[in-house]
Amino acid sequence: DVKVTQSSRYLVKRTGEKVFLECVQDMDHENMFWYRQDPGLGLRLIYFSYDVKMKEKGDIPEGYSVSREKKERFSLILESASTNQTSMYLCASSRRQGYNQPQHFGDGTRLSIL
Amino acid sequence: GQQLNQSPQSMFIQEGEDVSMNCTSSSIFNTWLWYKQDPGEGPVLLIALYKAGELTSNGRLTAQFGITRKDSFLNISASIPSDVGIYFCAGRVSSGSARQLTFGSGTQLTVLP
Repeated sequence: DVKVTQSSRYLVKRTGEKVFLECVQDMDHENMFWYRQDPGLGLRLIYFSYDVKMKEKGDIPEGYSVSREKKERFSLILESASTNQTSMYLCASSRRQGYNQPQHFGDGTRLSIL
Repeated sequence: GQQLNQSPQSMFIQEGEDVSMNCTSSSIFNTWLWYKQDPGEGPVLLIALYKAGELTSNGRLTAQFGITRKDSFLNISASIPSDVGIYFCAGRVSSGSARQLTFGSGTQLTVLP
């Protein structure tokens, strides 16, 4: 079974703090993704990475950055947290081979910015 | 931006009833996926569809890839309390990035005893 592990289930931070969300997958997947999930808006893609040190912007990258130093780990960084970044954050991974590989998700990090 | 219309947004049904939900798009998709998300958890893949017209079952769940390639539906038969959760459709647009998925906004399912 694919295992995608997010480091924190719940996180509370203050406005202006630099926040790191960590994600690790154990299936040697090439692709990794960060989404945020808000009521009524579904899942929106923030950034994704298809290889080590490679990254591409998703639909809502503003206010975020990412880091992929190792294949199994993909970090999401909030450079200066703001209250509108309070949300559920989901990490996912998938294999590169074939265009139709499904994404597998972690359990999410519920982040509150005060 | 989001290109999928998922309906209904929410459903309240009696235990034992059948459920149907669907997703439609103005774009042509080459993959349809259905996920379920339990409260406080991440989405879990239920069914993957890769060809127009494909009909696939997973236990009491059945999903179909529409012939036009612009829609998909998910049916749940004989619902039980543990079916409660949010169901998401997701797909890959034929003209889009091979890596990216587009998600519907979800259907919140409540099963009443």
